[in-house]
Amino acid sequence: DAGVTQSPTHLIKTRGQQVTLRCSPKSGHDTVSWYQQALGQGPQFIFQYYEEEERQRGNFPDRFSGHQFPNYSSELNVNALLLGDSALYLCASSPGSQSPLHFGNGTRLTVT
Amino acid sequence: AQSVTQLGSHVSVSEGALVLLRCNYSSSVPPYLFWYVQYPNQGLQLLLKYTSAATLVKGINGFEAEFKKSETSFHLTKPSAHMSDAAEYFCAVINSGGYQKVTFGTGTKLQVIP
Repeated sequence: DAGVTQSPTHLIKTRGQQVTLRCSPKSGHDTVSWYQQALGQGPQFIFQYYEEEERQRGNFPDRFSGHQFPNYSSELNVNALLLGDSALYLCASSPGSQSPLHFGNGTRLTVT
Repeated sequence: AQSVTQLGSHVSVSEGALVLLRCNYSSSVPPYLFWYVQYPNQGLQLLLKYTSAATLVKGINGFEAEFKKSETSFHLTKPSAHMSDAAEYFCAVINSGGYQKVTFGTGTKLQVIP
């Protein structure tokens, strides 16, 4: 039983570019959340998707957007990349909103 | 909003010694609290959770944590450290809105010395 899978594992982009990160939730999970983990920090909540809609959002600008597909997989899009967007981006899934999160191994984004 | 504070960004213990990682929470209502572990180049794995049932919570890998309301603490302990316990540990709390919007502490990196 595959857990949460994320792709790619590493990514290097230039300032101003756009990036798309992908996540497949654990089998049986329908809720996906995204977190940003800067170096030396704890993860910060970006947003949550359920039934293909954004249900909650953290304190992140509109440059961060997402999508959830009918098969529950999800994408995180970041536009107009800044150097400060360099971080580990973690996807987490759960069976509904009242269960603890299962995390993927993350995508390491470097913006130069 | 609820938050957690982890005391000590780095903790070193000898193999076989007691592990104690400290976490204090700020909450005006009984919180749901968690400890997660992150191994190098991996995501986070849930160690244990407190959801207002028993105050002493047992988790995986021999870890446990005790909820102390009088001290607003939720410290993580393990009687005997193993080399495989070397990792970063995060205390976390749920804000309103379910299990999805988790607020994490800044983490404590545990080093185990042979």
